[in-house]
Amino acid sequence: GAGVSQSPSNKVTEKGKDVELRCDPISGHTALYWYRQSLGQGLEFLIYFQGNSAPDKSGLPSDRFSAERTGGSVSTLTIQRTQQEDSAVYLCASSLRGGGGTDTQYFGPGTRLTVL
Amino acid sequence: TQLLEQSPQFLSIQEGENLTVYCNSSSVFSSLQWYRQEPGEGPVLLVTVVTGGEVKKLKRLTFQFGDARKDSSLHITAAQTGDTGLYLCAGAASNTGKLIFGQGTTLQVKP
Repeated sequence: GAGVSQSPSNKVTEKGKDVELRCDPISGHTALYWYRQSLGQGLEFLIYFQGNSAPDKSGLPSDRFSAERTGGSVSTLTIQRTQQEDSAVYLCASSLRGGGGTDTQYFGPGTRLTVL
Repeated sequence: TQLLEQSPQFLSIQEGENLTVYCNSSSVFSSLQWYRQEPGEGPVLLVTVVTGGEVKKLKRLTFQFGDARKDSSLHITAAQTGDTGLYLCAGAASNTGKLIFGQGTTLQVKP
């Protein structure tokens, strides 16, 4: 079956521009997560959507970052006024139920963002 | 703030050698997961450990969760070149889906 897909796979933008990154989770998965990964490093949690509950935004690094999940499926991560330190790979994951930490998260291939 | 310290950050060994990767924290986690990531791809779950003292084996990989659920280790026996990759540990706080990741261990197994 189809896994988690993300688009674009690569994005190069100029400092100060806004970018939108898209995530299509596995069908039927109620939980969706966004993470950020610097080269060869671990993942940094950004935001977590669980069903119809208010999202956990505790990992968003600044108010330039926002995310939404429409219809409980597709999610968009928006970065406004991009800065060079925003350059990273942005990974999306989905899981069947979320919560509790034993639910398997399935990751997409990521979007590599480069801010010049 | 919950943190996971993973060590070593880089490991280069010969095929056939054994190795251990450590993941330590001062915080208690409800569960701990180990992932493997290939270049250009997202992490793939290897195992989840839930009970303090739990040991799980996956072929040549042995995973252990500390008794106090604050630390974990991954041991690979007789490493193969196909084991090359980035290994990540991740802890889950109670009743949340949020994962806290360690910095990762880049493993290179040379023929």
